[in-house]
Amino acid sequence: DAGVTQSPTHLIKTRGQHVTLRCSPISGHKSVSWYQQVLGQGPQFIFQYYEKEERGRGNFPDRFSARQFPNYSSELNVNALLLGDSALYLCASSYRGQQGMTEKLFFGSGTQLSVL
Amino acid sequence: DAKTTQPPSMDCAEGRAANLPCNHSTISGNEYVYWYRQIHSQGPQYIIHGLKNNETNEMASLIITEDRKSSTLILPHATLRDTAVYYCIVRVARRNAGNMLTFGGGTRLMVKP
Repeated sequence: DAGVTQSPTHLIKTRGQHVTLRCSPISGHKSVSWYQQVLGQGPQFIFQYYEKEERGRGNFPDRFSARQFPNYSSELNVNALLLGDSALYLCASSYRGQQGMTEKLFFGSGTQLSVL
Repeated sequence: DAKTTQPPSMDCAEGRAANLPCNHSTISGNEYVYWYRQIHSQGPQYIIHGLKNNETNEMASLIITEDRKSSTLILPHATLRDTAVYYCIVRVARRNAGNMLTFGGGTRLMVKP
């Protein structure tokens, strides 16, 4: 079975541009989360979507937005890119068990974004 | 979610047990301890989680102290492929809870031949 897939794997943009990152969850998973990982630090939570609705938002500016599609895939959009947005962007999917609890996240390998 | 404290780095000889400590002195009664690891150039990988009992799976064992203020992840026979950053995370697990994980700096484990 395929794991979480993200595209593209690498991306170079310039300041002020916008970017769209894509994520396909594991088959059967209905929840997708996005994380930003700056070099040398642990991942930071950006968004969570479940059944196409936003269920959580981290401490990120409004330049960051996301959505989830009927097939549960997701896009992360970042507008007006800054140098500080350079990071590894990770997508994670999860399955909500019978008790409504999410026990584990499955992460993709991420998209490395460089802003010049 | 409760804050965790981990040593920034550790070394382990190949074939020996790797014991990774984590302090979570402010943990609440409904918070679980999770461990993830991140191998270079990959996304984090779930290892194990527990509430108050010790847990074991095919990857590792998790030992939680009786007062739940600290825990230890044990890799029984470390291999070179276990070289990674290991994250200890404490979070509430409840119905309809979100997926926000709060990652700290983790412990960089280097397994040496």
